[in-house]
Amino acid sequence: DIQLTQSPSFLSASVGDRVTITCRASQGTSSFLAWYQQKAGKAPKLLIYAASTLQSGVPPRFSGSGSGTEFTLTISSLQPEDFATYYCQQLNSYPITFGQGTRLEIK
Amino acid sequence: EVQMVESGGGLVQPGGSLRLSCAASGFTFSDHYMDWVRQAPGKGLEWVGRTRNKANSYTTEYAASVKGRFTVSRDDSKNSLFLQMNSLKTEDTAVYYCAASLTSGGYRHFNYWGQGTLVTVSS
Repeated sequence: DIQLTQSPSFLSASVGDRVTITCRASQGTSSFLAWYQQKAGKAPKLLIYAASTLQSGVPPRFSGSGSGTEFTLTISSLQPEDFATYYCQQLNSYPITFGQGTRLEIK
Repeated sequence: EVQMVESGGGLVQPGGSLRLSCAASGFTFSDHYMDWVRQAPGKGLEWVGRTRNKANSYTTEYAASVKGRFTVSRDDSKNSLFLQMNSLKTEDTAVYYCAASLTSGGYRHFNYWGQGTLVTVSS
């Protein structure tokens, strides 16, 4: 199984900050990696797929990069609605796996 | 408007069975692979299983933790997805989400999600 490790697990930041979340895979996943945002009590929402492709309707302040075993999600200027938990997901091989999540909170 | 509505969750005793349903609308259900993802209380996301579309013979994949106990199926005529859960364990307690997966440019991702249904396994 491919294990995904996100860092940090918890992040405190302010509105307007630039933040980066890293996802490291135990084996190469090519670019078969997606990022999701989940708010409390809600279903996850797709942000990025194919490591760097922005899902339709997602604000351009979100961006993704990387390939192989190291990936990043960057939010260029945090907005109040961005405070949530973020998960990476690999779809390169079965079982599909998720990172443990990064909780982004307001400083 | 895309809608995916799960139902069938509830309280069940260890060793019992439960069948979850997911009713979908607003997109071409039959084209999509369909997945189940669960989230234990206060924990992260865990993929449970998948059914591919008709073009891929409705074949299925499962997480090791549920293989042999859970069965994913679909009825394209009713735009519905199912999860039959047998031999339930306390560790299966979670919110269960259905998700629709499509490929764009060769890259699959979970486009649409339901709101989730809570399954509690407890005596």
